[in-house]
Order: sequence, then structure tokens, then C-alpha cells
Amino acid sequence: NAGVMQNPRHLVRRRGQEARLRCSPVKGHSHVYWYRQLPEEGLKFMVYLQKENIIDESGMPKERFSAEFPKEGPSILRIQQVVRGDSAAYFCASSPTVGMDTQYFGPGTRLTVL
Amino acid sequence: AQSVTQLDSHVSVSEGTPVLLRCNYSSSYSPSLFWYVQHPNKGLQLLLKYTSAATLVKGINGFEAEFKKSETSFHLTKPSAHMSDAAEYFCVVSDSNNDMRFGAGTRLTVKP
Repeated sequence: NAGVMQNPRHLVRRRGQEARLRCSPVKGHSHVYWYRQLPEEGLKFMVYLQKENIIDESGMPKERFSAEFPKEGPSILRIQQVVRGDSAAYFCASSPTVGMDTQYFGPGTRLTVL
Repeated sequence: AQSVTQLDSHVSVSEGTPVLLRCNYSSSYSPSLFWYVQHPNKGLQLLLKYTSAATLVKGINGFEAEFKKSETSFHLTKPSAHMSDAAEYFCVVSDSNNDMRFGAGTRLTVKP
């Protein structure tokens, strides 16, 4: 029974390139969350998605960042025109329902912007 | 608004001695509280959670935490530290599944 899977695990981009981070939730989970962990900081919520819908994107930077969770396939966090400050670990989590339910976290994608 | 404060950024203990990682929270509602652990180069793993059932919660790897409403605390403890416990620990408060707040983390070092 596979848990949350994220790929790639490590991603290196040059300034100005695009980064695409993928998250496959636990089978049967329809709620996906993205978090960012900056160096020396705690996790910060970015966006919460349910299949084909963005429910809460209050933690997403207003520009360059977008997320989707299509009917088929993984959730994608997309960062356009990356800058050095985007270097961080990005974690995805999934849960089966909304409410006070446990979120299961993926291993994270470590993005390095050169 | 809700928030969580982990009172120590770094805790160092000797192997075999007790572990105490402190967490205080504020929430307008009856919160759910979680402790997650992150080992180096790994993802987050759930240690335990409190969701308004028993106030003393037992988790994996011998960890437990006690919810104290009067003190707004949810401290994580373990009677005897093991070298493999060295990691970063996050306290999390949630009053709905799309509004989780993470603490800044406590780095636990275990000395031989």
C-alpha cells in the first residue's frame, strides 16, 4: 500500500527556468496539500486542493506559483521563472477526507536554484 | 487565528535519558494537535495525534504527549532516548484540515 509519492526527490534549476513538482497521493485520497520548508524555518502551508478544485491557496505566492490536481494523474506544483529564494523542500500531503483527519506526508522534493 | 510555539529550537539529551519537547498552542476552537518527526533527508512522519479523545496520547517509537487545555500545551515525551530518535520534531495545530499551523521545529540531538 504505497504512501504519498513525490518526484523528483531532488531538482536543480537555473534562475528563470520552470520547476514542476509532482505528487501522487495515497490511493483513494482526494485531498492534497502542498507545504514549503525554507532553510532554518518550519513548514508553511501553501495550497489545499481537492480533485480538480483549489480549495485554499492562501499560502501561495501571488506570482509564478500555481498548483493543480487533475481528475487523472498526480498533483502538480509549478514554479515559473524560479529565483534563488525558491530553493526549499516542498512537501505534499494527502488525506482521505476533509475535517480533522490525518495528513500523510510524502518524502519531499528538494529544489535548488542556481 | 491559531498558532503554535515550540519553546526550544534545539534539545540535547544523553542516550537512555528522558526526552521532553515542549509545545504551546493557541486556538479559537477545540484543536487537533499532532507531532511529526523528520529524519535527515526524509519526509515527515506522524508520531501521534490528539483529536479530543483521551488527553494522554501514545504514539510510535515510545513517544507520548499529553494535551493540557488549562496550560494550552501538548508536550512530547519519551522515557528513554535512543540514538535513532535524533531528528527534527514539529508540533502542529489544526482546527480544520485546510488550516494547519506548524511550529518552527525542535532539533533533538542524542549523545552516546
